[in-house]
Amino acid sequence: DTEVTQTPKHLVMGMTNKKSLKCEQHMGHRAMYWYKQKAKKPPELMFVYSYEKLSINESVPSRFSPECPNSSLLNLHLHALQPEDSALYLCASSQDRPTGQPQHFGDGTRLSIL
Amino acid sequence: AQTVTQSQPEMSVQEAETVTLSCTYDTSESDYYLFWYKQPPSRQMILVIRQEAYKQQNATENRFSVNFQKAAKSFSLKISDSQLGDAAMYFCAYRSGRSGTYKYIFGTGTRLKVLA
Repeated sequence: DTEVTQTPKHLVMGMTNKKSLKCEQHMGHRAMYWYKQKAKKPPELMFVYSYEKLSINESVPSRFSPECPNSSLLNLHLHALQPEDSALYLCASSQDRPTGQPQHFGDGTRLSIL
Repeated sequence: AQTVTQSQPEMSVQEAETVTLSCTYDTSESDYYLFWYKQPPSRQMILVIRQEAYKQQNATENRFSVNFQKAAKSFSLKISDSQLGDAAMYFCAYRSGRSGTYKYIFGTGTRLKVLA
């Protein structure tokens, strides 16, 4: 069973739509991550939240807007996306302490932009 | 800046045989952690094995073991008795041991094919 739950699993949207991706974990992890992954490529880090505060923003375009309502939830709001944004979006979480803990990944949301 | 290199884009292994996937990294830090992740076609990324840099002993998890050479900055993954279910993309990853550091640096991945 996946300990990090992502919804929806698939999403098709037009370039003018607004949608949100959701991620939830109940492992008590205080760091949560969004990654973008293209086929046969490694995940590219987009955002990191630690203790519900944005700690890393990898110069992601503003059409992607993250939100961390509480320690268990992480959202990614999408608006005016481009065809090149089509990809697998992965959410992950990790313990903050002790350092060096592995990330736990969700199944991902397969996003297609028309 | 730290980097992770996986020089083998694709590898094949016969079922029940042993295969080694290579990973090298570059860092000036002395405290860090290394990981191997597996991503099957069903896409969930799963942790295979974790190594702490300050431990000289190589990590093992059942059929999976690593050869960690700190001086050479090498971290290879050995899969023994390969099974069809081992077919996947394998990513090597690095994380700094500094407190408050959350970034994981991934290699480009190695696609492993297991031949029946």
